[in-house]
Parts: sequence; structure tokens; C-alpha cells
Amino acid sequence: DVVMTQSPLSLPVTLGQPASISCRSSHSLVHSDGNTYFNWFQQRPGQSPRRLIYKVSNRDSGVPDRFSGSGSGTDFTLKISRVEAEDIGVYYCMQGTHWPYTFGQGTKLEIK
Amino acid sequence: QVQLVQSGAEVKKPGASVKISCKTSGYTFTSYFMHWVRQAPGQGLEWMGIVNPSADVIEYAQKFRDRVTMTMDTSTRTVHMELSSLRSEDTAVYYCTRDDKNSWFAFWGQGTLVTVSS
Repeated sequence: DVVMTQSPLSLPVTLGQPASISCRSSHSLVHSDGNTYFNWFQQRPGQSPRRLIYKVSNRDSGVPDRFSGSGSGTDFTLKISRVEAEDIGVYYCMQGTHWPYTFGQGTKLEIK
Repeated sequence: QVQLVQSGAEVKKPGASVKISCKTSGYTFTSYFMHWVRQAPGQGLEWMGIVNPSADVIEYAQKFRDRVTMTMDTSTRTVHMELSSLRSEDTAVYYCTRDDKNSWFAFWGQGTLVTVSS
């Protein structure tokens, strides 16, 4: 199985400051069709996960533009340009290129 | 709008089975894949399997292959997931989640808590 490794696992940030989460996969996530099926999810406390970013860098509808995704191959990053209070929660990366689909361990974003 | 409404919480004894439902609305049922993902208390997300309603194709993660059964009922637009031989480690919130034209897991149900305890 493809192992997804996130860092850091805990991320204390000051409101208004930027934040960055890294995700590394054990195998390249470039599919034979040319797409890279790598997504980011946010899970607020007590809620279901919500997809933020699909195929590395595409923001889902309704996701604030302070969220951005980048990367390629095996290394990916989620950036929040200015953290707001509503951003607290756990962030997961996920790959849908290789069977079975796998998630990272999660990064808990909290306010300092 | 797309809605995935799951059945309510369950409490089961070790060795029993549980069947969870996910009733869909707001889209053409056969047009999108549906998945089941679980989350143990305080833990991360774990993919269990995929249902392709249009092709009647179902695939399971190897870890669950001998204990899980996923079914679909086109007439009621509902997907079901049954997990057998339950053990305490199966205590988790189980989610159904649907793909969209862009990628995996675009829409999520509210989750169903399954507690396995003697």
C-alpha cells in the first residue's frame, strides 16, 4: 500500500499568520492517465471531512482562496496564507492513484 | 443538492454483524462511485471499499475483504455496508462518501458511530 506521511502532526499557529502542511507519498502519485489523484481534506471538530483541494492544486467550490495546494510526484504541500479561527481542525492528505486509496495520519491545526 | 443521509448509531457485541445504510438524493444515483471510509476514535481515515452503481461493481480493501459486504439498491437510491465478526477494534465512525467528476470523496454522509462492546 502507498504510505502517506504528513508533517507536522501538530501545528500551532497564530491567527493571521501563514501555515503549511507537508505530505509525502511512498510512491509517485502520477496515474497512467497523466493525472495526479492527490487531495486535501479538512475535518473540523465533530464534523465529517470536507474536501478542500483535488488533483494537487484545484480548490473545491466554496473553499477560501487562502488555501492553496502544490506539489508533484511524491511531495505535496497545503498552504494557508492567513489562518482564521474557522480553520482549526485536522487536515488529511489522500491519494486516489493507487489501490487501495490511502490517507495521511492527519495534521492537527490549533491556534496558539 | 447532493445529500447522503446515514442510518443511526449502533451498539453491537463482539462477533456480531452491523449493517449501515446511506440514502442518497439530489443527483443521478448511477452516475457516481460511492465509498465507505471509517475513523476509529481519535484516529485517522481508513478507506474500506468502493461501489460503482452503474456497473454493479464493488471492490473492497484487502483488510476487510473477508468481513465486509457492500450492496446497493437502485430503487431506493441507497448503499449499504455490512461488517461481520465485529471486534472492539471496529469501534469507529463509518462514513459513506461520493465522488464527483473531478476526483474522489467530494460529498460525505454525517457518519454512523458503531460501538463494539461486550
